[in-house]
Amino acid sequence: DAMVIQNPRYQVTQFGKPVTLSCSQTLNHNVMYWYQQKSSQAPKLLFHYYDKDFNNEADTPDNFQSRRPNTSFCFLDIRSPGLGDAAMYLCATSRDRFREGNNEQFFGPGTRLTVL
Amino acid sequence: GQNIDQPTEMTATEGAIVQINCTYQTSGFNGLFWYQQHAGEAPTFLSYNVLDGLEEKGRFSSFLSRSKGYSYLLLKELQMKDSASYLCAPDRDDKIIFGKGTRLHILP
Repeated sequence: DAMVIQNPRYQVTQFGKPVTLSCSQTLNHNVMYWYQQKSSQAPKLLFHYYDKDFNNEADTPDNFQSRRPNTSFCFLDIRSPGLGDAAMYLCATSRDRFREGNNEQFFGPGTRLTVL
Repeated sequence: GQNIDQPTEMTATEGAIVQINCTYQTSGFNGLFWYQQHAGEAPTFLSYNVLDGLEEKGRFSSFLSRSKGYSYLLLKELQMKDSASYLCAPDRDDKIIFGKGTRLHILP
């Protein structure tokens, strides 16, 4: 039973062509996260939503945007992908924020983005 | 800052025991996660420590010393499927910060 679903698993786009990655969850969790992970590097948090409250990381480029139309869905929009944006994009959820206790993150399988 | 240090790679033999160390510096620290990540896959949760001491869960145990900013993951009775990266991830407030991970190679 899939809990965090990401579509597509593999995405190819062209330099400068906008692309949207999607994530959905069946866990009814309050928090949804987007990470970028490049080869042999740690997952890097881009932003997260606590319910409808959007929290951007200070070093996330303006090129990256996100939308969360409802509890279940969250989207990552890359407005003008560059070659350096090729990476695995991971969506994760947690029941609540960490200050409320152990909030394990559940990850989706990721979308591997290729920029030509 | 959130400097997270763990060895880049380790090698161990099937059936043996291995300890993966992690040191960290983080303000507003709450607890520490360990995640396992196989190549090309998403991270999966292994453990979470908030109190000092050792927590055992089957073949895997995790230790935390808050005062020393130190944790380790202990893997016993290693199996070939344990070949993966192990990510140390302290958490503060609303998010967790991942280390680069330790790539563990298991030899038959």
